[in-house]
Amino acid sequence: GESVGLHLPTLSVQEGDNSIINCAYSNSASDYFIWYKQESGKGPQFIIDIRSNMDKRQGQRVTVLLNKTVKHLSLQIAATQPGDSAVYFCAENYGGATNKLIFGTGTLLAVQP
Amino acid sequence: DSGVTQTPKHLITATGQRVTLRCSPRSGDLSVYWYQQSLDQGLQFLIQYYNGEERAKGNILERFSAQQFPDLHSELNLSSLELGDSALYFCASSVVGWGIGELFFGEGSRLTVL
Repeated sequence: GESVGLHLPTLSVQEGDNSIINCAYSNSASDYFIWYKQESGKGPQFIIDIRSNMDKRQGQRVTVLLNKTVKHLSLQIAATQPGDSAVYFCAENYGGATNKLIFGTGTLLAVQP
Repeated sequence: DSGVTQTPKHLITATGQRVTLRCSPRSGDLSVYWYQQSLDQGLQFLIQYYNGEERAKGNILERFSAQQFPDLHSELNLSSLELGDSALYFCASSVVGWGIGELFFGEGSRLTVL
């Protein structure tokens, strides 16, 4: 498949290590945030979401942390596996009448065996 | 498989031409979103429809237009194509219309303008 975003920030981790992918969002009024994973040649897939009234949410092997004070979002992946290799996007919903899900530029996670 | 179907998967055309991209949302989803993904721009929100009506607009060029039909499928029309319009165009759908909820993305339509 084709790679997406040849100039993306890249995070390289060893298999089995924990990964932390960071994202700065732009709109202090955003009320909902999602992390998506995009594998080469495929559409983005939902990983986990969090509403603005929360600061942490856990899923299976993934945790999202939200810091509204500094408009920062992070995705933690525990025990990273080769299948986790992909581009990861955070997205924020501007909310209210605008109703736009705006994506960040993405981070390429490369898992080394 | 997300349940969102996009056609065609690949399209090659010339500058100045017009193309139509088609999207069938997941069964039961009323919202359809269109995104453009190019190498240097990431995923750019173009437009959203909910149950046939335009709900939100992003950075969609005037040369582009979209609509959602009564059967909820959507079409994105791109006209007077330029080289810079070459990109992956994704359609996504969701049940809700206000963005609170998961978007399910199709596999995309890759447009190449020569």
